[in-house]
Amino acid sequence: DGGITQSPKYLFRKEGQNVTLSCEQNLNHDAMYWYRQDPGQGLRLIYYSQIVNDFQKGDIAEGYSVSREKKESFPLTVTSAQKNPTAFYLCASRASGANVLTFGAGSRLTVL
Amino acid sequence: RKEVEQDPGPFNVPEGATVAFNCTYSNSASQSFFWYRQDCRKEPKLLMSVYSSGNEDGRFTAQLNRASQYISLLIRDSKLSDSATYLCVVNGPGSSNTGKLIFGQGTTLQVKP
Repeated sequence: DGGITQSPKYLFRKEGQNVTLSCEQNLNHDAMYWYRQDPGQGLRLIYYSQIVNDFQKGDIAEGYSVSREKKESFPLTVTSAQKNPTAFYLCASRASGANVLTFGAGSRLTVL
Repeated sequence: RKEVEQDPGPFNVPEGATVAFNCTYSNSASQSFFWYRQDCRKEPKLLMSVYSSGNEDGRFTAQLNRASQYISLLIRDSKLSDSATYLCVVNGPGSSNTGKLIFGQGTTLQVKP
């Protein structure tokens, strides 16, 4: 079945550590996105990529980094510079010409 | 003003009730509108797109009022399984190229037996 796989599902991190969240899709979608969700808030866009080897900052990119070396993969690194990293992170993808996003199951990051 | 605003609720209704949610958006140039459903601690999933003339999918009816910049979702004959958070989603500025979507904070529905 086609879909988006995010890992790990749960992650605990100490302050000052970088962590990388994985996002892999086999939908052959060109565009991929990373969103962050906090309790009582809507999803906020961190980074997005419309094509391999290219990506753009979203609304809250500070303290995060991404890469897009392969069409299928769009990993997100949460760096130690991110002041409030505890959140639910959602990866999504979109087919060319479509408006609808398909989401992965999410990764829940907790900083201890 | 938030770009997409929703009443967070929760809306507590008995089974079989009809319930309606509204959502307002600030960008008058928006062209694409959606309702997503999100279950507790899960990812959002597309419930339905919203078309200018209004559209229906079973017990769900979505309507768009461009003049007032609001979108509505009506659920008839509520089921226990309808309990979830409903996210109002609108395409963002320049999104014809980027596909960027703006999400509301969601409205929580609890259907009680």
